[in-house]
Amino acid sequence: GAVVSQHPSRVICKSGTSVKIECRSLDFQATTMFWYRQFPKKSLMLMATSNEGSKATYEQGVEKDKFLINHASLTLSTLTVTSAHPEDSSFYICSARDPGGGPNQPQHFGDGTRLSIL
Amino acid sequence: AQSVTQLGSHVSVSEGALVLLRCNYSSSVPPYLFWYVQYPNQGLQLLLKYTTGATLVKGINGFEAEFKKSETSFHLTKPSAHMSDAAEYFCAVSKTNNDMRFGAGTRLTVKP
Repeated sequence: GAVVSQHPSRVICKSGTSVKIECRSLDFQATTMFWYRQFPKKSLMLMATSNEGSKATYEQGVEKDKFLINHASLTLSTLTVTSAHPEDSSFYICSARDPGGGPNQPQHFGDGTRLSIL
Repeated sequence: AQSVTQLGSHVSVSEGALVLLRCNYSSSVPPYLFWYVQYPNQGLQLLLKYTTGATLVKGINGFEAEFKKSETSFHLTKPSAHMSDAAEYFCAVSKTNNDMRFGAGTRLTVKP
């Protein structure tokens, strides 16, 4: 089945550091990937939709300059949290739909990245 | 816009008992519906999905869900709970290519 790999699984760093998270589709090409943020004991909040070869589409309230998304190839999307602060600490999850997937296809999720800013 | 409501943020059952996790959707047309499971510090794993056809959908790990249009529901069930079923469960709805919305989640606890 379709596999999405997310790296790193955990990051602990000092305030002011920029952190890059990678999301790879291992056995399929994904023109669209999704980035979610999950607070403790809460549901997933869609941050942005990453589109290969074009700009990402951000959800309302998500700072584009804070959360930089790059989708340079059909198998890789990256999320960079710039100048991270403690309030950016969270669990970040990426996903991608099945190839040629429409809304009737499930999203496949990475294992998430636990970001802790000291 | 569609939305998803999961009734009960926490459900506790005994091992071997029936599991029932509730999900209702709000949509002007029948959407595509999904159930996902999340174990601690992991991403989401698809349990099952409903797109078209048979309204009773069987998924992995013995779970199944029934789409009831008249009740706008897609409740998740399992006849007999195992300890390994303890996790967070999310119902999700999708109508467009980029618009999958998740419910708030239900934490399932299984008591020995």
